Amino acid sequence: AQSVTQPDIHITVSEGASLELRCNYSYGATPYLFWYVQSPGQGLQLLLKYFSGDTLVQGIKGFEAEFKRSQSSFNLRKPSVHWSDAAEYFCAVGAMNTGFQKLVFGTGTRLLVSP
Amino acid sequence: DAGVTQSPTHLIKTRGQQVTLRCSPKSGHDTVSWYQQALGQGPQFIFQYYEEEERQRGNFPDRFSGHQFPNYSSELNVNALLLGDSALYLCASSPRTAEQYFGPGTRLTVT
Repeated sequence: AQSVTQPDIHITVSEGASLELRCNYSYGATPYLFWYVQSPGQGLQLLLKYFSGDTLVQGIKGFEAEFKRSQSSFNLRKPSVHWSDAAEYFCAVGAMNTGFQKLVFGTGTRLLVSP
Repeated sequence: DAGVTQSPTHLIKTRGQQVTLRCSPKSGHDTVSWYQQALGQGPQFIFQYYEEEERQRGNFPDRFSGHQFPNYSSELNVNALLLGDSALYLCASSPRTAEQYFGPGTRLTVT
């Protein structure tokens, strides 16, 4: 069965410092991978996606992620964090079945940004 | 271009009651998926609709049912509500196998 692990429940980063959020997945075929961000009480906003091709993908708000098949990982990075980046971040894998895709999410990482 | 919209924003129901949540997909999207997000958890897939038929279903009981209309909008119905059904219900739309775009969610509280 498909699964996603986000090992860090909370991460605190100083404003201006770099950020890396970890994501490991389990999926039997070539994965479709996603990172979403959720502000308190809000829906999910798509940050970036990996379908195929270049393993380093760029997203919105200065985020990037690198797909490493050998490590089953898709870590999210940002070189300089802003206070507005404080939110919950979810990694997801797209699981295909009979031509349709459902998303399997990790439990999320809450990012706190300190001044 | 309006994104995914959901109604209502919040609602409070009593155990045993029934509830209907509504979703309008993003323009050009024909596939609608529903997810349940309990407090402090990641979203869990409930089911997915395409061409007015349920195409995939997650591990949810039959109390959870849905419908998709010809204009691609969708409803989620939950019967015989339990306290454990309290959650944020998220609707997502997409053009088949492409990335899914989420609405703001409906916060359901069961008392």
